[in-house]
Amino acid sequence: DAGVIQSPRHEVTEMGQEVTLRCKPISGHNSLFWYRQTMMRGLELLIYFNNNVPIDDSGMPEDRFSAKMPNASFSTLKIQPSEPRDSAVYFCAIPLGGGAYNEQFFGPGTRLTVL
Amino acid sequence: QKEVEQNSGPLSVPEGAIASLNCTYSDRVSQSFFWYRQYSGKSPELIMSIYSNGDKEDGRFTAQLNKASQYVSLLIRDSQPSDSATYLCAVPFGSARQLTFGSGTQLTVLP
Repeated sequence: DAGVIQSPRHEVTEMGQEVTLRCKPISGHNSLFWYRQTMMRGLELLIYFNNNVPIDDSGMPEDRFSAKMPNASFSTLKIQPSEPRDSAVYFCAIPLGGGAYNEQFFGPGTRLTVL
Repeated sequence: QKEVEQNSGPLSVPEGAIASLNCTYSDRVSQSFFWYRQYSGKSPELIMSIYSNGDKEDGRFTAQLNKASQYVSLLIRDSQPSDSATYLCAVPFGSARQLTFGSGTQLTVLP
């Protein structure tokens, strides 16, 4: 059963602070995607992991952003230092299965507000 | 031209009518196309995938693909108020063929 847990669900922080977002696929997946959604830019892919290795991080905005996937059951997205323009909803997603990795199941998201 | 373009709407239709959502894409080599539905405050949910030219039907939803015209659409028959959401068109793009999403069309079905 596809399922993704993201934590925290809401995060409010001040500019300059470090933020760590977490994603836990319930059934363990070797492929995982991090997206960011804003009103201005829509839904954008930040980074994609396959076999726990980052394959495409061209969407990561800048060096302040980093992501890891130490195992098939856990991934983190870190922003250090955070800025107000990082305010967005961050989703992680996993392939639904069947080899079509673009058929994706999205987690509930983390709403980040940077003051 | 944007990689994936959608009518931003908002689109309003009366209950029971057909809602038509359109999407064009710029990459001629794209072979797969996806429609995601996103309710306000929720995450996107895959509702349709289409890989071949023509129509694909799933319940009240029909996806239509025309690769020559680089156009994909989603028809919702017998629209219900519960269909009110933002519909996102997504197409694999770039060297890694990762999903690129359109800006979405906000649909409101009026009771």
